[in-house]
Amino acid sequence: KQEVTQIPAALSVPEGENLVLNCSFTDSAIYNLQWFRQDPGKGLTSLLLIQSSQREQTSGRLNASLDKSSGRSTLYIAASQPGDSATYLCAIPGGSYIPTFGRGTSLIVHP
Amino acid sequence: DGGITQSPKYLFRKEGQNVTLSCEQNLNHDAMYWYRQDPGQGLRLIYYSQIVNDFQKGDIAEGYSVSREKKESFPLTVTSAQKNPTAFYLCASSRQSGDYTFGSGTRLTVV
Repeated sequence: KQEVTQIPAALSVPEGENLVLNCSFTDSAIYNLQWFRQDPGKGLTSLLLIQSSQREQTSGRLNASLDKSSGRSTLYIAASQPGDSATYLCAIPGGSYIPTFGRGTSLIVHP
Repeated sequence: DGGITQSPKYLFRKEGQNVTLSCEQNLNHDAMYWYRQDPGQGLRLIYYSQIVNDFQKGDIAEGYSVSREKKESFPLTVTSAQKNPTAFYLCASSRQSGDYTFGSGTRLTVV
């Protein structure tokens, strides 16, 4: 059974810092990996989807990498802003394509 | 624009009452899911459906029921058998290969 772990569980940084959020998984036979953002009381917003054949995806200040052999994905946030404050989750499709989610990293960027 | 619509945004249930949460998607996705989210906890799968007229129990299906009569719609009924229904409910859909899209959620409160 796929297990997904996100480290750290919480992170508080000053504005402007470059950040790395980690997502580890136990079964490297993945189809893809998806990063989400969740604001308090809101649904999940998809940030990036990396197919298993890809090494990374970029969108604006966000860059996600995937290393299947080591069972890791990282989400890099450049020049963090207070508006980046949210919980970030990674998800991997499992059996019957049911996603397995990490518990998330709660990020606070303070001015 | 394609997406998922959940309604209502807020719902109040009296003791012993059944309530139905609506989830509609216009993404032409085959698979749909219902999750429950409690404070400080991860997403827990209630039910999922991979095709019209078929659905499967997730990890916490007791006290809930669903139907999938149309590809676009996957309503969730919270029955009186669910003793602790106060939570945030999220609906999602996906292609069979993953790439999940979430609705904005329904917050259910027992009064």
